[in-house]
Amino acid sequence: EVQLVESGGGLVKPGGSLRLSCAASGFTFSSYSMNWVRQAPGKGLEWVSSISSSSSYIYYADSVKGRFTISRDNAKNSLYLQMNSLRAEDTAVYYCARGTYYYDSWGQGTLVTVSS
Amino acid sequence: QLVLTQSPSASASLGASVKLTCTLSSGHSSYAIAWHQQQPEKGPRYLMKLNSDGSHSKGDGIPDRFSGSSSGAERYLTISSLQSEDEADYYCQTWGTGIHWVFGGGTKLTVL
Repeated sequence: EVQLVESGGGLVKPGGSLRLSCAASGFTFSSYSMNWVRQAPGKGLEWVSSISSSSSYIYYADSVKGRFTISRDNAKNSLYLQMNSLRAEDTAVYYCARGTYYYDSWGQGTLVTVSS
Repeated sequence: QLVLTQSPSASASLGASVKLTCTLSSGHSSYAIAWHQQQPEKGPRYLMKLNSDGSHSKGDGIPDRFSGSSSGAERYLTISSLQSEDEADYYCQTWGTGIHWVFGGGTKLTVL
């Protein structure tokens, strides 16, 4: 069974940093592109960032470019999102999702709250 | 610009059928999409990939009550024999070179 478990969320002040992790199991992690998607309170889904299976291709939404960094460790079956210079509008539940084009597996999410 | 448009809300009675719509913006009518379901307080769940010709491939364990179809720039998700657990938000998603990944605004389905 495919499992994606996010962690690392919490309360952080504006301008602060946070690192999210996603632990993957139940599939060959190194064969799949992975993604971060977020959902602000009461809002819809917003794509944040994607990384190819070997980290050769990395993409970011304009809203996070230059502030967030996606990475992965295939030996540890883990996906990461380093978030710097956080803003109030980054407050959201962050989901990791598997897939190159469409996302066929999702985690349960981790909440990031940016507030003073 | 690639945009997916969904009605904010829909409702149907228990045991009935409902058809949700996702509309691709002009010039993108050949794009495939994916449908996702998000039950209250849960993460999204992949339902199916839906091609422009109406062919679709469902995720593991998705009941036969869920089906997809296409017409022009419209992509549909039909849920038959509605059950209470079908009450959820439904999102469509697409992708494209240079466009990356796009989600529709979601449709909140209420089962009466």
